[in-house]
Amino acid sequence: KQEVTQIPAALSVPEGENLVLNCSFTDSAIYNLQWFRQDPGKGLTSLLLIQSSQREQTSGRLNASLDKSSGRSTLYIAASQPGDSATYLCAPNDYKLSFGAGTTVTVRA
Amino acid sequence: SAVISQKPSRDICQRGTSLTIQCQVDSQVTMMFWYRQQPGQSLTLIATANQGSEATYESGFVIDKFPISRPNLTFSTLTVSNMSPEDSSIYLCSANPWGSPYNEQFFGPGTRLTVL
Repeated sequence: KQEVTQIPAALSVPEGENLVLNCSFTDSAIYNLQWFRQDPGKGLTSLLLIQSSQREQTSGRLNASLDKSSGRSTLYIAASQPGDSATYLCAPNDYKLSFGAGTTVTVRA
Repeated sequence: SAVISQKPSRDICQRGTSLTIQCQVDSQVTMMFWYRQQPGQSLTLIATANQGSEATYESGFVIDKFPISRPNLTFSTLTVSNMSPEDSSIYLCSANPWGSPYNEQFFGPGTRLTVL
């Protein structure tokens, strides 16, 4: 069974700082890994999908890296803004998604 | 991508009753999934909704409690039966768009259920 751990559990930074969110998973036999954002009481918004053959994927201020062999992914958010405040979830996909508990980010204006 | 809607968006129900949640996708999809998110927790997969056959349930979830239908390639329902306060959660459906090369999943906005 895939186990997903996200560190830190919570993060509070002033606006403009770069964010580093870490994800580790136990089973490296995955097709891809998705990063999602969840606002309080809402559904999930897909941010990035990184394929198992890729090392990195970028979308705007977001950059995700993947080291499949060691079971790790990192999401970098550059120049954070108050609108980035949300919970971020990583989900490795080994035919189905498994979720960690997430990292709750607060960006202070 | 795919746009997914769910009905109802929220409901408050009495113990012992049942609620059916609908999930509609704006395009044909291959796989549809139902998740539960209990208060303060992350998402747990309930089942995979298979078109034309019975759903595939994860460990700890049974068909009698969470019957699922998927009559076509764009629609699915989840029923939460004989509800108790422990069923108070957000229920989310997700789907893989047809033709997506990477099995990317998209999620609906969720249904917030409170059981009294």
